[in-house]
Amino acid sequence: DTAVSQTPKYLVTQMGNDKSIKCEQNLGHDTMYWYKQDSKKFLKIMFSYNNKELIINETVPNRFSPKSPDKAHLNLHINSLELGDSAVYFCATRDRVTDTQYFGPGTRLTVL
Amino acid sequence: GIQVEQSPPDLILQEGANSTLRCNFSDSVNNLQWFHQNPWGQLINLFYIPSGTKQNGRLSATTVATERYSLLYISSSQTTDSGVYFCAVDRNAGNMLTFGGGTRLMVKP
Repeated sequence: DTAVSQTPKYLVTQMGNDKSIKCEQNLGHDTMYWYKQDSKKFLKIMFSYNNKELIINETVPNRFSPKSPDKAHLNLHINSLELGDSAVYFCATRDRVTDTQYFGPGTRLTVL
Repeated sequence: GIQVEQSPPDLILQEGANSTLRCNFSDSVNNLQWFHQNPWGQLINLFYIPSGTKQNGRLSATTVATERYSLLYISSSQTTDSGVYFCAVDRNAGNMLTFGGGTRLMVKP
């Protein structure tokens, strides 16, 4: 059973479109995150979500918005996609006992 | 914000060799983790180590919080150790990790 899963694995779309990436976890963790990894492998935190409390990295454009329909899911919605949004997006969860973070397999987004 | 620097940026080893990866951070932290990203892109947590020393098989890590650095030791390296090793830290309880630029390791057979 995959602990943290993401769909789709690959996403190719045109500039200006709106898209969503789904994340699901079966670990029962309270805190979930979205990260962006650019072409140079640099990883940056985008959002932290814990029990309806959202913490946003101030550098993230407001075209990006996380939505949590329930505790096991944190989806990422992106409006008006731009070329610079091309990256790999990772969902992660946190075990509050050990403070360890567990990452999903990533979604490679390509904006043409 | 906090700065995280990793060295070396790239490392090539012969199988069986040992190596030390370093992570320096610019401010006090209450969370430090080491991750391995394999060639297929999967990120795996190796250690949660805000201070002290831990060992897991051929890997061990030491964090000297007062001097703001952490070291990851890989002994008897194997080709499966190849990938990118990241250090990540957080100053607060929110666990918004700040990642270093990574060390790209290639282990040759």
